[in-house]
Amino acid sequence: QLQLHESGPGLVKPSETLSLTCTVSGHTISSYNYYWGWIRQSPGKGLEWIGSIYLTGSTSYGPSLQSRVTISMDTSRNQFSLKLSSVTAADAGLYYCVRSIRMVGLDQWGQGALVRVSS
Amino acid sequence: QSALTQPPSASGSPGQSVTISCTGTRSDVGGYNYVSWYQQHPGKAPKIIIYEVNKWWSGVPDRFSGSKSGNTASLTVSGLQAEDEADYYCSSYAGGDNFVFGTGTKVTVL
Repeated sequence: QLQLHESGPGLVKPSETLSLTCTVSGHTISSYNYYWGWIRQSPGKGLEWIGSIYLTGSTSYGPSLQSRVTISMDTSRNQFSLKLSSVTAADAGLYYCVRSIRMVGLDQWGQGALVRVSS
Repeated sequence: QSALTQPPSASGSPGQSVTISCTGTRSDVGGYNYVSWYQQHPGKAPKIIIYEVNKWWSGVPDRFSGSKSGNTASLTVSGLQAEDEADYYCSSYAGGDNFVFGTGTKVTVL
């Protein structure tokens, strides 16, 4: 059974870099046709697409965050990661890692990792 | 790439139907038949319920149905049940392996 689990610091200082890792079990991230991505949800607000990575290492990022985002993968550990630089209070929220079927949608979600931004 | 527009709220009595709209542009909703809908209960991660405009995800009851006309997609929940009370988000493929989400609609079962 596929499971995704986010991990990382729950508190980040302003101007620093947010780093999260998603550990995937029950499925290899080196599979064809599946992308691995990140979504965030600010408190009381909607969902925002951050970006994704494919088994080739090819990445795609949403336009609003692309200047600050890096998504990478470690196939040996079956993990993929998110780095968001120069964070502000607006970057606080719940960060989900997801599995994406290309163009179709997001069929598997982690439980989410809550990130606060505060000094 | 702006968020797709959804009404903030919708409601209906048990057994009634409710329809949620999702308006985008030719660059997303209108340009691809890759609209999906997600249901999110409080404190839970979203779950996909509809994909490719009008296809049911596995295990989703056929009370949920999707459609699209031009730049606007819609989700209809027929025969409302108490467990349908949740937030609903539309999403569309937006090119370049990216997706865009709707602003979300809170459905209340009266």
